[in-house]
Amino acid sequence: QKEVEQNSGPLSVPEGAIASLNCTYSDRGSQSFFWYRQYSGKSPELIMFIYSNGDKEDGRFTAQLNKASQYVSLLIRDSQPSDSATYLCAVRGSARQLTFGSGTQLTVLP
Amino acid sequence: DAGVIQSPRHEVTEMGQEVTLRCKPISGHDYLFWYRQTMMRGLELLIYFNNNVPIDDSGMPEDRFSAKMPNASFSTLKIQPSEPRDSAVYFCASSLQGIHEQYFGPGTRLTVT
Repeated sequence: QKEVEQNSGPLSVPEGAIASLNCTYSDRGSQSFFWYRQYSGKSPELIMFIYSNGDKEDGRFTAQLNKASQYVSLLIRDSQPSDSATYLCAVRGSARQLTFGSGTQLTVLP
Repeated sequence: DAGVIQSPRHEVTEMGQEVTLRCKPISGHDYLFWYRQTMMRGLELLIYFNNNVPIDDSGMPEDRFSAKMPNASFSTLKIQPSEPRDSAVYFCASSLQGIHEQYFGPGTRLTVT
């Protein structure tokens, strides 16, 4: 079992819709959770992080964390074609390193 | 403020040659991470440093790979000898205190023929 699992996609949504990206993790001791966006040929860039159970909102993005279910998600409201990218879920356990999922490729159709 | 700097951006070499990748972290960051990304395996952590000291190198695939951090502003990842299966994008990232977000450099695309 992979430590951090994501649906690889591709996930396609129409412009203006809500895109929902999901991630599960195996280490119950995980402390913090990150969502990175990676455009093709570019490096990962951080878009959201969440430490506590519940929701965290930043503009069109909402991160949701449920530690009991070992589940973290990212919602993108009013999706735009510029949101088309691969989204990487990353989890930090007791050590300082991040473990990344394999990423979900999102395409927003105009 | 400059981000993480990596060089070269692209490297094409022949099998058996030595390859050295370079990284300059963000000034003031005390953690530095080296990653490798391929389509098959995704983003893999190779090694990370804290205050220039290697902390965990369990991700280094084999003895052909070595990494150093002689000072707070410079790190190298060396592959000797290189093999075609080493072809990947290598990223360097840095963070503050290891508990905050990691900032990635632009990556080095390595092709070994």
